[in-house]
Amino acid sequence: SQTIHQWPATLVQPVGSPLSLECTVEGTSNPNLYWYRQAAGRGLQLLFYSVGIGQISSEVPQNLSASRPQDRQFILSSKKLLLSDSGFYLCAWTPTFSRRRVFGQGTRLTVV
Amino acid sequence: DQQVKQNSPSLSVQEGRISILNCDYTNSMFDYFLWYKKYPAEGPTFLISISSIKDKNEDGRFTVFLNKSAKHLSLHIVPSQPGDSAVYFCAASGNYGQNFVFGPGTRLSVLP
Repeated sequence: SQTIHQWPATLVQPVGSPLSLECTVEGTSNPNLYWYRQAAGRGLQLLFYSVGIGQISSEVPQNLSASRPQDRQFILSSKKLLLSDSGFYLCAWTPTFSRRRVFGQGTRLTVV
Repeated sequence: DQQVKQNSPSLSVQEGRISILNCDYTNSMFDYFLWYKKYPAEGPTFLISISSIKDKNEDGRFTVFLNKSAKHLSLHIVPSQPGDSAVYFCAASGNYGQNFVFGPGTRLSVLP
């Protein structure tokens, strides 16, 4: 079956520290992958998407970056976190022949 | 510029009554619309969708209505249950899914 895994579930990091969130998809190949952020009281904002290994498109300029080192792995990173990076981060993918986004469980990031 | 709007940030409904959540969009190129449900600290889960060639789609207690001329869609939940309490996101898709936009969400509270 096709599943998406995202970790960690929660993370508390000090300002200026690095970040690495990982997302993997199982049961499919060459998926379209996405990183979203939900800030407190706001909707879902698309941060990055990838249609293949090494192919990353950025939707919003910011303190974050994304990488896709393997076909089913998508990583969200930052070299130095800011307070404003706090939020709920979601990885998602689009199943073949579908127009839906399927989301992971999310990571609650708190920058202190 | 918000392409997808959910003008009610919150809604409270008595258990057993109908819940109606509204969504408006501005981009006439959108041709596929989805509703997602999100519990706190979890990723959104797909609820129901509708293509622009239809004006109604029903799945159990959930019905989505689409009014293309008004660029408006609504989600009806009948009867509402306490477990329906969550944030509901409207999403719109166009250009074969390459353009996928979420609304800001409506928090539904179903009171016992």
